[in-house]
Amino acid sequence: EPEVTQTPSHQVTQMGQEVILRCVPISNHLYFYWYRQILGQKVEFLVSFYNNEISEKSEIFDDQFSVERPDGSNFTLKIRSTKLEDSAMYFCASSEVPPGLGSYEQYFGPGTRLTVT
Amino acid sequence: AQKVTQAQTEISVVEKEDVTLDCVYETRDTTYYLFWYKQPPSGELVFLIRRNSFDEQNEISGRYSWNFQKSTSSFNFTITASQVVDSAVYFCALSFTGGGNKLTFGTGTQLKVEL
Repeated sequence: EPEVTQTPSHQVTQMGQEVILRCVPISNHLYFYWYRQILGQKVEFLVSFYNNEISEKSEIFDDQFSVERPDGSNFTLKIRSTKLEDSAMYFCASSEVPPGLGSYEQYFGPGTRLTVT
Repeated sequence: AQKVTQAQTEISVVEKEDVTLDCVYETRDTTYYLFWYKQPPSGELVFLIRRNSFDEQNEISGRYSWNFQKSTSSFNFTITASQVVDSAVYFCALSFTGGGNKLTFGTGTQLKVEL
């Protein structure tokens, strides 16, 4: 069964450093997302991406964050200068493109645990 | 604004008991979609079900069933004859048309099933 993969599973970085989290969405999916989950809290939407551009972003997704689809398979989240409060589990998800204005289920990767020290 | 409320923070049951997880949502949109996801101790998010706002039929899948009631803005999830493997955090989520398909999650319900 196709699945979303994410690397690395755990990333430790120092405050102020740049990190890139990588994701390989399901191959026939064209809608991609990043979410984050601070330990013990709910899952929060960061950004959605379709047709090589951001569809929507949350207020969390400020100028420190960027996303990219550098090739036909990868989808990345970059945090330019990490802060302590960026420590969280980051989930990538993908979905089929919904018909019209519909919404399809999103399939999540296993997550990358980011620890900022 | 979209909002999902899961008032039950934690539920503990004994194996084979039935358990219902509550989900109440708020949205101004007339077309929206409701989801349940399971997060086992290993941490991944597993899709369980998607429901459209215009389809109020209840759904059953094995030991799982879902009760969608627009009149009370609720989308409750029942596990029949619970098993230890059902122990997880369960999240209810909402998306709407024109919202970039973003999911708005509730705070989750931790279900513990004990022997």
